[in-house]
Amino acid sequence: DGGITQSPKYLFRKEGQNVTLSCEQNLNHDAMYWYRQDPGQGLRLIYYSQIVNDFQKGDIAEGYSVSREKKESFPLTVTSAQKNPTAFYLCATHRGGSPETQYFGPGTRLLVL
Amino acid sequence: QKEVEQDPGPLSVPEGAIVSLNCTYSNSAFQYFMWYRQYSRKGPELLMYTYSSGNKEDGRFTAQVDKSSKYISLFIRDSQPSDSATYLCAMTINTNAGKSTFGDGTTLTVKP
Repeated sequence: DGGITQSPKYLFRKEGQNVTLSCEQNLNHDAMYWYRQDPGQGLRLIYYSQIVNDFQKGDIAEGYSVSREKKESFPLTVTSAQKNPTAFYLCATHRGGSPETQYFGPGTRLLVL
Repeated sequence: QKEVEQDPGPLSVPEGAIVSLNCTYSNSAFQYFMWYRQYSRKGPELLMYTYSSGNKEDGRFTAQVDKSSKYISLFIRDSQPSDSATYLCAMTINTNAGKSTFGDGTTLTVKP
């Protein structure tokens, strides 16, 4: 898991509720990413940030929002507009250069009540 | 059609078998090819990556890329029960691994 912390490990969301997933890193990496993984599927990019105070949409950004106020932190909010939020959410960081400098966090499993 | 297609599995082999995991892709611009291992309910970890075509070996693992056929493979020799996991291929145009396109994964079980 490198120096990436994701919390909570499990999260339950009620209908119409916004929830925020935490991702913190101590690797001093500039780039951070959020992915969604559904059962039997690969990772799909939600949002990414390559520098503080800047972020870009990935392939499936609708219904999600992010912020990057500090280098160490990249929280993801799953809004009520995301109608099918049940999934495994993974945060990753990348120092740049070789793919070997990318690391994933342990993930947060989001379930809808 | 997806940009990256991975053999779906699941795959079950006896301990000591040689395992072949495969992906095909359609985007000829991909230059970096990665294999990740993901244990149940954990984040993926990078096993190997290859730049452009060719082979790369690391212990019991060999990664092969054939860009002319748009086909990549991961071979595991002398498979062990600890190799039981989901294996994901991923590809990217440049070194920005964070923007990789992933396959759906192949779940491997190695039986003692």
